Amino acid sequence: ETGVTQSPTHLIKTRGQQVTLRCSSQSGHNTVSWYQQALGQGPQFIFQYYREEENGRGNFPPRFSGLQFPNYSSELNVNALELDDSALYLCASSRRGVEETQYFGPGTRLLVL
Amino acid sequence: QKEVEQNSGPLSVPEGAIASLNCTYSDRGSQSFFWYRQYSGKSPELIMFIYSNGDKEDGRFTAQLNKASQYVSLLIRDSQPSDSATYLCAVSKAGTASKLTFGTGTRLQVTL
Repeated sequence: ETGVTQSPTHLIKTRGQQVTLRCSSQSGHNTVSWYQQALGQGPQFIFQYYREEENGRGNFPPRFSGLQFPNYSSELNVNALELDDSALYLCASSRRGVEETQYFGPGTRLLVL
Repeated sequence: QKEVEQNSGPLSVPEGAIASLNCTYSDRGSQSFFWYRQYSGKSPELIMFIYSNGDKEDGRFTAQLNKASQYVSLLIRDSQPSDSATYLCAVSKAGTASKLTFGTGTRLQVTL
């Protein structure tokens, strides 16, 4: 167990809806990164939050947005859901530094119908 | 060319043998290298990380990095059936907010 928690574990939505996923980072960690993992693929970097600001973004459209709170927890919001958004969404926490390593939470499996 | 490439497998090895998993990367600016293990339906679990050329050993696992050839490998000694999983190689480079770029993973099967 990494100490990173995510909620909910599973979610079913319909196309066009909005979804919010939540992540609590491991104790002592100040950075949260979000990844999307489609079936049979490696995780794809969505964005990272450090000091409550977005600090790096992958190739994802603006309908993917996020927040980080003072306690370092984070939210991922996805608007106007599309069928291709069906995936495992992973949150990883880390402590910013030279030898930074990311530890993943259990993930949220999202199905868009 | 993909940024991080791995053979998708499956790589099948008998119990007790050495499993060798390989990964190549395209960006010479890559500085940090990670191996994650992912069981079916679960999230990735960090196995090893390596930053310098050479070997790094941790129990049954050895990570090897060769920056000149742009490859990183993971050796698993005395493979056990519980090692059967997908192994993900990930790299990051300085100045990219520690963004991890993953390969698609190699599926390892350890047979009895």
